[in-house]
Parts: sequence; structure tokens; C-alpha cells
Amino acid sequence: DIQMTQSPSSLSASVGDRVMITCRASEGIRNDLDWFQQKPGKAPKRLIYSASSLQSGVPSRFSGSGSGTEFTLTISSLQPEDFATYYCLQHHSNSWTFGHGTKVEIK
Amino acid sequence: QVQLVESGGGVVQPGRSLRLACAAAGFTLRGYAMHWVRQAPGKGLQWVAAISNDGRNKYYADSVKGRFTISRDNSGNTLYLQMNSLRPEDAAVYYCARDSMWIPSSPEFWGQGTLVTVSS
Repeated sequence: DIQMTQSPSSLSASVGDRVMITCRASEGIRNDLDWFQQKPGKAPKRLIYSASSLQSGVPSRFSGSGSGTEFTLTISSLQPEDFATYYCLQHHSNSWTFGHGTKVEIK
Repeated sequence: QVQLVESGGGVVQPGRSLRLACAAAGFTLRGYAMHWVRQAPGKGLQWVAAISNDGRNKYYADSVKGRFTISRDNSGNTLYLQMNSLRPEDAAVYYCARDSMWIPSSPEFWGQGTLVTVSS
């Protein structure tokens, strides 16, 4: 099974900060990776698909990069509505694994 | 717009069964693969199962293989998850999600979830 290591598990940041979250796959997954945002009591929302494609309607301050085993979600300028938990999901070769999540909190 | 509404959750004793349903609206169900994903209270997301658009191909997490069955009724616009031999560790909010494609890949749109509690 493909394992996903997501870091950090939590971070504190201020409005306007640049935030980066990383996921590392235990083996190469090409660009079969998505990023999701989840707010308390709500369903996850897809932000990025295929590692770097922005989901329709998602603000351009969100971006994704990487391929193979290393992937990054970047929020260029953190906004108040971005405080949430973020998950990566790999979907390579008919297997699916979420990262353990990164909780982004207000500093 | 895409709407997914889960139902069938509730309190069930260990070892018993439960069937979840996901009613789809705003799109043609037969055109898309579908997923079930769960989240235990206070925990992260765990992928459970996926099914291709025509129901021919099904995939399961190791933790539910042999106990859970994913199925779909395209004419009735409904996705199902039959859960047998339930364990306390199966307690979670269960989300259904529509894929971007006809073969299982990326869960794009999600329902609001239904809560399953496994307790004696």
C-alpha cells in the first residue's frame, strides 16, 4: 500500500502569511494527488487536483506543485476563511490514501 | 448543481449490519464513478470504497474488504454501501463523493455525510 506522510500536522499563521504544506508518497504516484480543505462540521472541499490544477471556483492564492513522491500545497496570502484542516489524497493505481491532515490555526 | 444526500446512518450493535444510501441529483449518475469516505470522530479522512460508473469495477480499503459492499442503481440515481459485521472502529461519519471521471480517480463533489455509531 502507498503511504502518505503529510507535514506539518499543525501550524499557526497570521493573515497574510505564506503557508506551505507537504505530502510525501512512499512510492512514485506521478501526479495522482489532490488537496482538500475541511472546516469543522463540514464536508471536505477539493482545492487542487492532479497535483497542480486549480479546482473551479477556488481562489488563485491556492496552488499545488510536485510530482512523483513530493507534493506541496501553497497558500500565498492566508485569509481568515482559510483557517481549516487540509488533507492530501493520492489515487494512484486503484488505491487511495489520505494524508493525516494539517490543521492551520490563527496565530 | 451537484447534490449528494446520504442517509441510513444510526446506532447499531457490533456484529450487526447497516445499509447506507446516497441520493444523487443535478447530474447523470451513470456518467461517473463514486466513492465512500469516512471520518471517525476527531480523526482524519479514510477512503473506504469506490465503484466505476457501470458498477463493474469495485475497490475496497483493506479494513473493510469482505465486510462492506459498494453498489449503485443508476436508474434510481442512488449509491449504496452495505456494511456487515460492524465493529466499533467502523463508527464514523460516512461521506459519499462523486468522481471527476467514469473510472474511480479523484472524488470531486461530496455530500454532507451520515453518522454511524457502533455500540452495544
